[in-house]
Amino acid sequence: SQQGEEDPQALSIQEGENATMNCSYKTSINNLQWYRQNSGRGLVHLILIRSNEREKHSGRLRVTLDTSKKSSSLLITASRAADTASYFCATDARDSNYQLIWGAGTKLIIKP
Amino acid sequence: KAGVTQTPRYLIKTRGQQVTLSCSPISGHRSVSWYQQTPGQGLQFLFEYFSETQRNKGNFPGRFSGRQFSNSRSEMNVSTLELGDSALYLCASSPGARSATNEKLFFGSGTQLSVL
Repeated sequence: SQQGEEDPQALSIQEGENATMNCSYKTSINNLQWYRQNSGRGLVHLILIRSNEREKHSGRLRVTLDTSKKSSSLLITASRAADTASYFCATDARDSNYQLIWGAGTKLIIKP
Repeated sequence: KAGVTQTPRYLIKTRGQQVTLSCSPISGHRSVSWYQQTPGQGLQFLFEYFSETQRNKGNFPGRFSGRQFSNSRSEMNVSTLELGDSALYLCASSPGARSATNEKLFFGSGTQLSVL
């Protein structure tokens, strides 16, 4: 079952602009992870944020977590063509026997 | 360190056949998870193996099975293939069992299975 829902489903922006993607989930979580997937390839882990954390940074990535709203956002600053990919959130829900539950993903296109 | 290796990269089968996919985790990783990815259903968890034991199983029919060997390499098998089994099958490894939580996953490039 899908717990996370990403928003928007697709996003197209100019190189250099910031990209923001959102993820909402339904049940209490231990942590939330963001992954990137280039077309037809495997997923690459970007960042993990624990339920007791509110914000985390990694290079040009900034992730926020609002457990009261059951939502997270991923911000990519100063986007580059190489950021073109699909982005997925995955939640490690407390009642899911530690299975990761995945959202449907946001397809990000960076126009040169 | 070599990454997660999945073979074959592409596979074409016909309905009713069976298929075996292989996954070699990162050296030292003892947990292997399998996922099915389709455009309509997204990423769906199939099962997780840790130290040769199935630790977790997703909501898939018994036609989907797997195993893990003593060197942590894993195989998954799909019998009596159906058209709907066409998908990208992804394998992911982590150092410990997913039940340890807070483990990030390292994914292979996947096996693209087409069932005709």
